[in-house]
Amino acid sequence: DTGVSQNPRHKITKRGQNVTFRCDPISEHNRLYWYRQTLGQGPEFLTYFQNEAQLEKSRLLSDRFSAERPKGSFSTLEIQRTEQGDSAMYLCASSRSLQGGGETQYFGPGTRLLVL
Amino acid sequence: SQKIEQNSEALNIQEGKTATLTCNYTNYSPAYLQWYRQDPGRGPVFLLLIRENEKEKRKERLKVTFDTTLKQSLFHITASQPADSATYLCALDGGSGYALNFGKGTSLLVTP
Repeated sequence: DTGVSQNPRHKITKRGQNVTFRCDPISEHNRLYWYRQTLGQGPEFLTYFQNEAQLEKSRLLSDRFSAERPKGSFSTLEIQRTEQGDSAMYLCASSRSLQGGGETQYFGPGTRLLVL
Repeated sequence: SQKIEQNSEALNIQEGKTATLTCNYTNYSPAYLQWYRQDPGRGPVFLLLIRENEKEKRKERLKVTFDTTLKQSLFHITASQPADSATYLCALDGGSGYALNFGKGTSLLVTP
């Protein structure tokens, strides 16, 4: 399967701990996105990379959150000092840039985080 | 403020009927609108994209309309099947980049 993969699929942590998630996009895709989804809501945009450059960050992305895509391939999302409100599904998506935008985003299965 | 509103109630229909889902938006001028399907515990899966200069788009049993005057998109599934049961998400480009802004989704249940 050459789709988007995310690890781990589930993470349970205690409040105050740091967690890191990994996303491996589809190999030829130059754009990578992180979203967060809570129960009953649609995905909310967090941040986006084109190649290794982080080009856009949502106001939702507090200073406890940091994302990297060091070589323009896989990406990591780290949450420091987790809070119970961080409990959510973290989704990664990738796409290949198209002139004029509107490219399809391919989503991974998500990492479900539970902060106790 | 910007809003994307989808049918708040779950939609229950009988197999074989046409399901119609609504997406209304305010304070957006989207260049395109997308529909995704999401099954429980899984990531969204792309279904259709329609651009601002297109009125209608079809793909197999799916049809999407886009009315930029009404600021509304309708998503139709004809000859619905129980396997169509899922949550359907409407998504717009935010205008400032390539990130998508999603509605809350509409849950569709197709019963035999």
